[in-house]
Order: sequence, then structure tokens, then C-alpha cells
Amino acid sequence: DAGITQSPRYKITETGRQVTLMCHQTWSHSYMFWYRQDLGHGLRLIYYSAAADITDKGEVPDGYVVSRSKTENFPLTLESATRSQTSVYFCASQGDLGETQYFGPGTRLLVL
Amino acid sequence: AQSVTQLGSHVSVSEGALVLLRCNYSSSVPPYLFWYVQYPNQGLQLLLKYTSAATLVKGINGFEAEFKKSETSFHLTKPSAHMSDAAEYFCAVSIGDMRFGAGTRLTVKP
Repeated sequence: DAGITQSPRYKITETGRQVTLMCHQTWSHSYMFWYRQDLGHGLRLIYYSAAADITDKGEVPDGYVVSRSKTENFPLTLESATRSQTSVYFCASQGDLGETQYFGPGTRLLVL
Repeated sequence: AQSVTQLGSHVSVSEGALVLLRCNYSSSVPPYLFWYVQYPNQGLQLLLKYTSAATLVKGINGFEAEFKKSETSFHLTKPSAHMSDAAEYFCAVSIGDMRFGAGTRLTVKP
């Protein structure tokens, strides 16, 4: 199906484990983003990518790693999960700066 | 750098009443402005977008927003609230990367 998808939708893990959240878009959008959403903080940008092999830090990048070897995929990895990383994670894509961002359905992550 | 402030983290209206969600922005250059809606357990969906073509922007589900440069505002309105409008609403500003407000939760009472 066309659009932007995220997997898994729900994930429970333990402190110290590595977790990878997947994001896939079918529009060939240049830009992709990872946000986390926490009560009282709205959406905060973790990392973004302007094209394949180009990534940059957002507002809250510590503890996260991204890669973008293909235009359509933008995985987010928590190398050693902490309880403070319990959140809802949203991936988004955008054709060009200033255009609409399209969001995936989100991944709910619980770190015990 | 651009930023956006949403006034009121929670707004409650009665069904059929006017909906007014406030958003003020800060930007050194003319920005793109957006309103997104988020229903429970879903991602954000675009409601409407301002791109300088017209100051009054009409969106989906009967919502509209007016860009007022003198007030640096982009408030979202709907003449008559419906129960299905209950959701979280986010204002966003973009002159490059996009910055989101903290969100306003709209409750609609029967």
C-alpha cells in the first residue's frame, strides 16, 4: 500500500537492550523525520534526513542512531534503551522543505 | 529560528458551539504554517496549510484558519463543533525544518 508505515506498532523492551524502529515510505520523498511524543512536550525532533546517506541531529538526538541507505527506509535505533526513552515515536516524510509532512501511525515503546 | 506557541493545552466546547484554537508563531521570514489533527492512537493528519496564497485557509472537516501577520497568529476555527472533532490539534511553523506547538486537546461535550 502507498503511504508511510512503521513497525512494530507496539514494543516492550528492557533497559540496556538494543531496539530498532522501522519506517518505510512509498512516495520517494527526500526528507524523513523521527519524532518522539511525550505528554507536555508535544512533538520533539530526534533526527532527520534530507536524502539517502544524509542525516542530521534534531532537538533530542542523545541515545539514538539513524541510518538511511535507501530513500524509502529510515530506521531508528536505540543502542541501549533507557526508561526515559519510553514514548510514542512517529516517523514522517516530506517531499521538500515547506511542504506537508506525512506521518506514520506511530510506535509505542515501553522500556522496563 | 522559528517557534510556535499554542495558547491553552485543553479546550472544551459544547456540541454545536464555535471552536477556536489559538496559535502564535515567531519567524524572521514569512513562514509556512500548518494545523495538524491527531486522533487517539493515530499519527498526525494535515488539516490545512498556509503558503501565502490567501490569508484565510480552508481545510478539511469544516475547519479554517486565518493568517494575521500583524498579530503573528494563525488561529484555527470551526463554526459548529461536532463530537467527532474531539482530538489533539497541533500548530506548526516551517521556514525550513518544521517546529510544532505543544498541542491543544479539544473536548466536545454533548
